[in-house]
Amino acid sequence: ETGVTQTPRHLVMGMTNKKSLKCEQHLGHNAMYWYKQSAKKPLELMFVYNFKEQTENNSVPSRFSPECPNSSHLFLHLHTLQPEDSALYLCASSQDRGQGNEQFFGPGTRLTVL
Amino acid sequence: AQRVTQPEKLLSVFKGAPVELKCNYSYSGSPELFWYVQYSRQRLQLLLRHISRESIKGFTADLNKGETSFHPKKPFAQEEDSAMYYCALSTRRHAGNMLTFGGGTRLMVKP
Repeated sequence: ETGVTQTPRHLVMGMTNKKSLKCEQHLGHNAMYWYKQSAKKPLELMFVYNFKEQTENNSVPSRFSPECPNSSHLFLHLHTLQPEDSALYLCASSQDRGQGNEQFFGPGTRLTVL
Repeated sequence: AQRVTQPEKLLSVFKGAPVELKCNYSYSGSPELFWYVQYSRQRLQLLLRHISRESIKGFTADLNKGETSFHPKKPFAQEEDSAMYYCALSTRRHAGNMLTFGGGTRLMVKP
């Protein structure tokens, strides 16, 4: 598959569960991003990785734990989430660190926390 | 801190009418502005970036640094333009391309 893929597409979990979201990009990019899209808020940047190094953590609670084993894969590990964490989680990638470089988005994972 | 404002949550126009989306930003550095679009059941994708000055799907926009605005316009709206539109400001911090998004504008083009 080309572009940016995300699995699973839908996830329902309880507050005590541990789950992981996966993102994979097939574009040869070296920067990857996690965003959160809630119903009533603008799209929010959560984490930035560049060449597998986390370069930004946008004040995200520790119950969200990112992992970037290589430039093509990005994970978001979830544990003891709250109902307000229910949202669409988007992964994106871009080439290099250029300010004007386009970000390519995945389809998102719709997360529901019960 | 940077901020992006899209004052209209919903914009409704008739097919063939002109349409202008609005975006205002605040940023103390040198801004790079983008518009992303999300059509129904599709992923977010780039529509415009101010540095390239291209016309994509009939939309054109100029960055107005004096008014800190980046408003794309299209002279004749089409039904297929109906979508969610997001303005985004790119900033450089440490490394990586940081995007700050506006709240989005839903454009509805009526037949």
